[in-house]
Amino acid sequence: GQNIDQPTEMTATEGAIVQINCTYQTSGFNGLFWYQQHAGEAPTFLSYNVLDGLEEKGRFSSFLSRSKGYSYLLLKELQMKDSASYLCAVRDREAGNMLTFGGGTRLMVKP
Amino acid sequence: DVKVTQSSRYLVKRTGEKVFLECVQDMDHENMFWYRQDPGLGLRLIYFSYDVKMKEKGDIPEGYSVSREKKERFSLILESASTNQTSMYLCASSRTGAAYNEQFFGPGTRLTVL
Repeated sequence: GQNIDQPTEMTATEGAIVQINCTYQTSGFNGLFWYQQHAGEAPTFLSYNVLDGLEEKGRFSSFLSRSKGYSYLLLKELQMKDSASYLCAVRDREAGNMLTFGGGTRLMVKP
Repeated sequence: DVKVTQSSRYLVKRTGEKVFLECVQDMDHENMFWYRQDPGLGLRLIYFSYDVKMKEKGDIPEGYSVSREKKERFSLILESASTNQTSMYLCASSRTGAAYNEQFFGPGTRLTVL
């Protein structure tokens, strides 16, 4: 089975930097995804990591350490529109390459 | 612009009713998925399909069935709805063979069973 943990809620200030952590345990790791989901809307893809290291995409970066079973999503220069839930999902080749999602982290950005 | 659509955004049904949730994608994707999303539990996979007329059980298939008669359409069926099936239902699709098989999600159907 798989276990994916991420904080339930976080609060940050507009213009600041926030790091959302995700830890996982899986036997056949084959990639980690981050999705953003605004309230009442569909999740949208943010990033993908399969090798160790940092992937940067504009204001968003995602980091992976496979040996530690750890990832984080880094959001810089926070904007009010970044208030959303952030979902960490792990793909497991021993589960048919299906995604298993964490419970999501609800981020509130305050002025 | 890629699109996954779901037949209803909100649905209210009574216990024991048969419920159909429809999902259509226009990206010619091979894979389609049904999830339910509940607070604190994240997205949980109910069923998925990797080809027409093919289906596989996900983590929580009990009380649900699916149908995939055409590549673009994947239906979720609640044979006899129960109150514990009140949830947000999300459909997704993805392409086979892509480097990371990103899943594209529909807007969701919020189902309430009374």
